[in-house]
Amino acid sequence: SQTIHQWPATLVQPVGSPLSLECTVEGTSNPNLYWYRQAAGRGLQLLFYSVGIGQISSEVPQNLSASRPQDRQFILSSKKLLLSDSGFYLCAWRERGGTGANVLTFGAGSRLTVL
Amino acid sequence: AQRVTQPEKLLSVFKGAPVELKCNYSYSGSPELFWYVQYSRQRLQLLLRHISRESIKGFTADLNKGETSFHLKKPFAQEEDSAMYYCALSGRAGSGGYQKVTFGTGTKLQVIP
Repeated sequence: SQTIHQWPATLVQPVGSPLSLECTVEGTSNPNLYWYRQAAGRGLQLLFYSVGIGQISSEVPQNLSASRPQDRQFILSSKKLLLSDSGFYLCAWRERGGTGANVLTFGAGSRLTVL
Repeated sequence: AQRVTQPEKLLSVFKGAPVELKCNYSYSGSPELFWYVQYSRQRLQLLLRHISRESIKGFTADLNKGETSFHLKKPFAQEEDSAMYYCALSGRAGSGGYQKVTFGTGTKLQVIP
């Protein structure tokens, strides 16, 4: 069965510090991967998506970047965090076909607090 | 462009009362619509999708292309239905066949005992 892991679950970082959130998927190959940010009253905002290794697309301009060094690994990064980067970050994957096509499976999320 | 609108941030109903969570969408092609649910301290998960035409936990949703709506309904609310509900749309974006999934802002359903 497929599983998705995110870590760390909780992170408190000072303004200006770097960030690295990691997401890995097991039990599937060549998935589409997504990073969302969940904020109260704003729903889920799509940040990045990836259709393959090294292929990253950004949905909104921001202080964050993403990388996909391996097929089932998706990393969200920042060189210098801003206060506005605080939030709950969700990683998700999607099957490319079959009965589960277009259904997103989410990780447990990473809560980032920037002080 | 894809857009999903959920007009209600909070919906409070009494146990046993009917529930309708509203969702309207904007998309130029043929969309695929979903409802996701997030219970307290649990992961965001799929509740139902319009192509399945199924009832999950007593919830149903019908895609109305004329009104561009996909409202979620349940005839009798239960306390365990209290959760955050998100409507989502999946549609092709760009030339590479990428499926972009756009979510609404969510509606918190509160079922009062």
